[in-house]
Amino acid sequence: DGGITQSPKYLFRKEGQNVTLSCEQNLNHDAMYWYRQDPGQGLRLIYYSQIVNDFQKGDIAEGYSVSREKKESFPLTVTSAQKNPTAFYLCASSPSPGLAGEEVNNEQFFGPGTRLTVL
Amino acid sequence: QKEVEQNSGPLSVPEGAIASLNCTYSDRGSQSFFWYRQYSGKSPELIMSIYSNGDKEDGRFTAQLNKASQYVSLLIRDSQPSDSATYLCAVTDWWSGGGADGLTFGKGTHLIIQP
Repeated sequence: DGGITQSPKYLFRKEGQNVTLSCEQNLNHDAMYWYRQDPGQGLRLIYYSQIVNDFQKGDIAEGYSVSREKKESFPLTVTSAQKNPTAFYLCASSPSPGLAGEEVNNEQFFGPGTRLTVL
Repeated sequence: QKEVEQNSGPLSVPEGAIASLNCTYSDRGSQSFFWYRQYSGKSPELIMSIYSNGDKEDGRFTAQLNKASQYVSLLIRDSQPSDSATYLCAVTDWWSGGGADGLTFGKGTHLIIQP
């Protein structure tokens, strides 16, 4: 089965703890993304990676860190510096877009998500 | 700051009718446009992508793009109760610095199909 998996499905964190959310894909996609969704809100970009060993900050990167050591994996660490971490975290992946002017497929596909709650 | 605007709803449509969802975006450089469906408590599911001005049809779904007006819409024909969900509009510049950036999402429109 090809797809994107995220674990755990639910995660509870105490104040001051760092936690790591897992995201794995076997779609052979180059690009991977992390978003956060708060109730009644759209998704906001945290970090993204277009290639192994490289990643860029999104709109709300403060208090988060990532790594991209393997093409298949893009874990997200929520650090104690993130002041309001309770949210629904979504990982996505996308094929590498073509060169400028070529037909492009940059559709993003999402994993099932991880719900993080701070106690 | 890139913005994507959607009417939050709820939009209530009778079963079998056409549901029309609208989205406007602020960045004229946007090149790729997507509609996602999200059921309560679940992750978003891609239902349509559109890159060129005009209409794109896929089954009961039609996406419409007007770049001059910075407007994207989604039509759902023969609406079914199972179409009741939140529909998210998302846009991106498909070519920036060598690859695709992340998506900018609207807050979504809550659609209710009344049996």
